[in-house]
Amino acid sequence: GAVVSQHPSWVICKSGTSVKIECRSLDFQATTMFWYRQFPKQSLMLMATSNEGSKATYEQGVEKDKFLINHASLTLSTLTVTSAHPEDSSFYICSARPSAAEQYFGPGTRLTVT
Amino acid sequence: GENVEQHPSTLSVQEGDSAVIKCTYSDSASNYFPWYKQELGKRPQLIIDIRSNVGEKKDQRIAVTLNKTAKHFSLHITETQPEDSAVYFCAATPSSNTGKLIFGQGTTLQVKP
Repeated sequence: GAVVSQHPSWVICKSGTSVKIECRSLDFQATTMFWYRQFPKQSLMLMATSNEGSKATYEQGVEKDKFLINHASLTLSTLTVTSAHPEDSSFYICSARPSAAEQYFGPGTRLTVT
Repeated sequence: GENVEQHPSTLSVQEGDSAVIKCTYSDSASNYFPWYKQELGKRPQLIIDIRSNVGEKKDQRIAVTLNKTAKHFSLHITETQPEDSAVYFCAATPSSNTGKLIFGQGTTLQVKP
């Protein structure tokens, strides 16, 4: 199956700082990638759709100025959590589609804001 | 917008028994319904999916059924094994056809040996 990677796998940062998370499709090109957030024992909540070469589409309630998404190439999307606060601590997962429908997920990034 | 409801939230079965997880969706134009298995701290893994032009799909011990009229779809696992223990999520692609997935709340399946 298709392979999606994420970096870093975990990160600890101080409140007020920014953190960048990378999502890469390793063996296919992805014009669209998706970013999800998952709190402990909860479901995956779609945050935004990352579109190569254009602006991301954010879901209702997600602050686009806080969660900056850049999709500069067909294999890389980045999510930057700006001015992070403890409530931003979560598991962030990206996904990408090698075909019209199937999505494959990255391994996730555990963010802890102290 | 699209909403996906999943039941039950927890399910405990004896090894060898069958397990059934059910989901309903709100957008009648949804056309793709995957199921994911997620182990603690790991990524969701696609285990089976079904498209709206098919009523049932089977892959070894796993099957998915879709009732478009009722907007229901279900995951069936037969001959359960302890390694089937995990959290299972259903999802649906809304009619906007952007490819995004809306997930159900998840079902924690425990298979007791």
